[in-house]
Amino acid sequence: EAQVTQNPRYLITVTGKKLTVTCSQNMNHEYMSWYRQDPGLGLRQIYYSMNVEVTDKGDVPEGYKVSRKEKRNFPLILESPSPNQTSLYFCASSLTSGRALVGTDTQYFGPGTRLTVL
Amino acid sequence: QKEVEQNSGPLSVPEGAIASLNCTYSDRGSQSFFWYRQYSGKSPELIMSIYSNGDKEDGRFTAQLNKASQYVSLLIRDSQPSDSATYLCAVVLYNQGGKLIFGQGTELSVKP
Repeated sequence: EAQVTQNPRYLITVTGKKLTVTCSQNMNHEYMSWYRQDPGLGLRQIYYSMNVEVTDKGDVPEGYKVSRKEKRNFPLILESPSPNQTSLYFCASSLTSGRALVGTDTQYFGPGTRLTVL
Repeated sequence: QKEVEQNSGPLSVPEGAIASLNCTYSDRGSQSFFWYRQYSGKSPELIMSIYSNGDKEDGRFTAQLNKASQYVSLLIRDSQPSDSATYLCAVVLYNQGGKLIFGQGTELSVKP
């Protein structure tokens, strides 16, 4: 079954304690991205990756890191989480991106990770 | 002006009615438009995509695109309570390197 998986699904942590949210896809997609979703603000892109070892900042990258050492995995790292990073996080993947993105190759979203930073 | 703008709602319609969801975008060069449905606490799922001016129908859903007015809409006919969700409009902004931008979403409530 084609899917994007994220772990953990729920996480409560404290300010400053490093954490990693994993993301994995089994569709051999080149493009992966991380979004955060906050009430009234919609989905905002944090980081994206066009392929292995190729990553770039999205709209709200401050306080986050990513890596893409393998095609299937794209972890999101919060080195020193703060309460303003409390949010719902989604990982997504697609075969292509940008101007080549068409409906038959849409973004597949993971189930989401609800993060609370106290 | 926001790059992709939607009314946040909530939009409330009675069961069986037509729900009309609207989205405007700022990049006149955009060519690809998507509608996602998101149930509370769940991930977005694609329900429609449209690339050409006019209407595109898929079951009870019709997407309408007017590039001259920079406007895309989603009509849901014979609305059902199971259609109650937040609907996200997404646009590929060609003049920003093909970035996919989501609107803030419109919450739809279908009352039995």
